[in-house]
Amino acid sequence: GENVEQHPSTLSVQEGDSAVIKCTYSDSASNYFPWYKQELGKGPQLIIDIRSNVGEKKDQRIAVTLNKTAKHFSLHITETQPEDSAVYFCAASGANAGKSTFGDGTTLTVKP
Amino acid sequence: KAGVTQTPRYLIKTRGQQVTLSCSPISGHRSVSWYQQTPGQGLQFLFEYFSETQRNKGNFPGRFSGRQFSNSRSEMNVSTLELGDSALYLCASSLDPYTEAFFGQGTRLTVV
Repeated sequence: GENVEQHPSTLSVQEGDSAVIKCTYSDSASNYFPWYKQELGKGPQLIIDIRSNVGEKKDQRIAVTLNKTAKHFSLHITETQPEDSAVYFCAASGANAGKSTFGDGTTLTVKP
Repeated sequence: KAGVTQTPRYLIKTRGQQVTLSCSPISGHRSVSWYQQTPGQGLQFLFEYFSETQRNKGNFPGRFSGRQFSNSRSEMNVSTLELGDSALYLCASSLDPYTEAFFGQGTRLTVV
């Protein structure tokens, strides 16, 4: 089955700096890659996703890049703010977006 | 537009008992997936339903079961509870199995 590895497990940045979280996946059939943000006591919130027919997608301060050849994808957050502090999860799935394999999560701390 | 609603939010059960968790998807969404989240195992896929049919099942014992009703609401049941079943159970809904999934707040189950 699919295996998703996520790095780093913890990340601490100064407010205003950029943060990058990287994931690799094993199943070349995977073609949908969502990213979720989970705050304490809440469920994961979808923040951005990308499908395999595009290499990059941006939404304001957040961007995701995908390299299908190398089987890795990354989340980039620019101009970080304290409210960006949370646990971030990457995931990968095939045609079935409802069945995703998740990475282990990255705890991002943005220091004011 | 209301989000995914999971009830109850918290549950405490005794070993050997059974439990039923409920999920109401976003209006118009017909696909529901369930995940178990624990500190040790992360987010693990349990099962997925679409139009009252189970489409996929994760690697969990038969004590874990679920169903979906004609109004797309879903329930999952865990019988003969074990201490290791203590977890946050998350439900995600999507329009169909091929579009982005949105999570509820989860049900925190504690088995004592």
